[in-house]
Amino acid sequence: KAGVTQTPRYLIKTRGQQVTLSCSPISGHRSVSWYQQTPGQGLQFLFEYFSETQRNKGNFPGRFSGRQFSNSRSEMNVSTLELGDSALYLCASSTGTSGKETQYFGPGTRLLVL
Amino acid sequence: KQEVTQIPAALSVPEGENLVLNCSFTDSAIYNLQWFRQDPGKGLTSLLLIQSSQREQTSGRLNASLDKSSGRSTLYIAASQPGDSATYLCAVPLPGANNLFFGTGTRLTVIP
Repeated sequence: KAGVTQTPRYLIKTRGQQVTLSCSPISGHRSVSWYQQTPGQGLQFLFEYFSETQRNKGNFPGRFSGRQFSNSRSEMNVSTLELGDSALYLCASSTGTSGKETQYFGPGTRLLVL
Repeated sequence: KQEVTQIPAALSVPEGENLVLNCSFTDSAIYNLQWFRQDPGKGLTSLLLIQSSQREQTSGRLNASLDKSSGRSTLYIAASQPGDSATYLCAVPLPGANNLFFGTGTRLTVIP
């Protein structure tokens, strides 16, 4: 079975721009969660999508949004980029049974905002 | 709010040594606890998942234990190797949800 894939792997943007990141979950997984990892804050939960619906949301501003398609692939969008958005963005997939199963992470997208 | 703490933040050991990494959490109402490994600049690799009804899980040289009542978990690594060098993270799910609270991690260096 193929693992979780994320594209692109690296991105460089400037302040004020917007960016879209993509995540393809493991086949058969319906839940996709997004996390932001920074040296200062560690790993923080952004949001989770399950069957095309946002099921949970972390404490991030509205500039961070996402969606999920019928094939479970998910995209995350960040508008009006700020320097502090520079981070490793990770997505994780699972079957979707709340909190009871292993989550599998992708390799991440490293975003640098200049 | 769930808080997850990992001590120590960094650990250096000579090759071949057995070691223990610690994870503590404040809210014991958890379904499970998961241990991950992260190599520099990379994603997370799941190592072990312990369900709340279990006390231990083993995979090769790794053994994880869970004590819900005291809010603690340990990851035991036997006969450490240089390839074990990485950051180790523990994580617990939010009650009734699928998203994880992560600890701050322990950076392990195994010296050849």
